[in-house]
Amino acid sequence: QKEVEQNSGPLSVPEGAIASLNCTYSDRGSQSFFWYRQYSGKSPELIMFIYSNGDKEDGRFTAQLNKASQYVSLLIRDSQPSDSATYLCAVKTYNTDKLIFGTGTRLQVFP
Amino acid sequence: DVKVTQSSRYLVKRTGEKVFLECVQDMDHENMFWYRQDPGLGLRLIYFSYDVKMKEKGDIPEGYSVSREKKERFSLILESASTNQTSMYLCASSFGPANGYTFGSGTRLTVV
Repeated sequence: QKEVEQNSGPLSVPEGAIASLNCTYSDRGSQSFFWYRQYSGKSPELIMFIYSNGDKEDGRFTAQLNKASQYVSLLIRDSQPSDSATYLCAVKTYNTDKLIFGTGTRLQVFP
Repeated sequence: DVKVTQSSRYLVKRTGEKVFLECVQDMDHENMFWYRQDPGLGLRLIYFSYDVKMKEKGDIPEGYSVSREKKERFSLILESASTNQTSMYLCASSFGPANGYTFGSGTRLTVV
């Protein structure tokens, strides 16, 4: 079992819709969770992080964490074509600064 | 904003060459990392460093070494480049365990 799993996609959504990206992780000691966006040919950029169970909102983005189910998700409201990218989930376990990355989900937002 | 600068955007090297990839960050971060990214395999950690002159192996250190003589600079060295080291190399830095990484723009290395 991979430590951090994501569906590779592509996930295709129409412009204006809600895109839902999901991630599961295997280590129950995981403490911090990050979402990165990576455009084709570019490096990842941090868009959200979450540490506590529940929801965290930042503009059109909402991160959701459920530690009991070992599940973290990213919702993108009012999706735009400019949101088309690969979204990487990353997990940091207790007492370490190393991030474990999933392989990413490719999102396509069509007009 | 934190800036992480990788010295080369694209590199082409020959098999057997010694290759140096340089990374510099300007925000006094203690932690620095080298990853490679390959299609279908995602980001894989090669080496990381929590302090000057300190290094630790990541998940795939074979064929690589690193150097951190100054806090702001973390170099990745391919001792004898091979074609299976053709990849995108990403440097990252962070400040403390509660923060995510800031990545450099990446170096796409091709070994021929």
